[in-house]
Amino acid sequence: AQSVAQPEDQVKVAEGNPLTVKCTYSVSGNPYLFWYVQYPNRGLQFLLKYITGDNLVKGSYGFEAEFNKSQTSFHLKKPSALVSDSALYFCAVREMDSGAGSYQLTFGKGTKLSVIP
Amino acid sequence: GAVVSQHPSWVICKSGTSVKIECRSLDFQATTMFWYRQFPKQSLMLMATSNEGSKATYEQGVEKDKFLINHASLTLSTLTVTSAHPEDSSFYICSGFDNYGYTFGSGTRLTVV
Repeated sequence: AQSVAQPEDQVKVAEGNPLTVKCTYSVSGNPYLFWYVQYPNRGLQFLLKYITGDNLVKGSYGFEAEFNKSQTSFHLKKPSALVSDSALYFCAVREMDSGAGSYQLTFGKGTKLSVIP
Repeated sequence: GAVVSQHPSWVICKSGTSVKIECRSLDFQATTMFWYRQFPKQSLMLMATSNEGSKATYEQGVEKDKFLINHASLTLSTLTVTSAHPEDSSFYICSGFDNYGYTFGSGTRLTVV
């Protein structure tokens, strides 16, 4: 079984400050990890993913995430937050070695990011 | 990049009627389509997984006779909410999958009155 935990329902940061949105995961084997952003009444937009290789993954809009296998974490970060970053952020996981045809993602509950001007 | 076009964006229907939601993959072929339901301020709940040309696999607790899924081609999947009731009001999102990853539709806000 695979699962994702986003321990914070909401994160507030001041514009220009660094931001971190936390995510931890649990899978039986090796993980594929994803971050998505959702604006109100919209679908999910892809930010970045970890498949293999470098533990630091750079994605869209200046976001990055660090894969930490020992801590089973994949926290999302950005050096300088923008007001326009305010949205709902979802972490998702899929086991790399899942059986044929089993490609479903498991999502965390989401973290609402509010960037204060 | 890959796009999944989901329609309608929002729909209001009367209780007891049926509503069809379409998801079309543009510029790629979605071998698998996932259908999610999202309640306000909550995460995405997987309803079903459909593969082109075969019957959908429904998650536990999801009524397959109520939520009819058709995936007749690699570029089109539909979800029909039959005999809709107010408790079916929700935000529905599809996601197309191919070898390059997952692409989400923009969602459909269904309100049953």
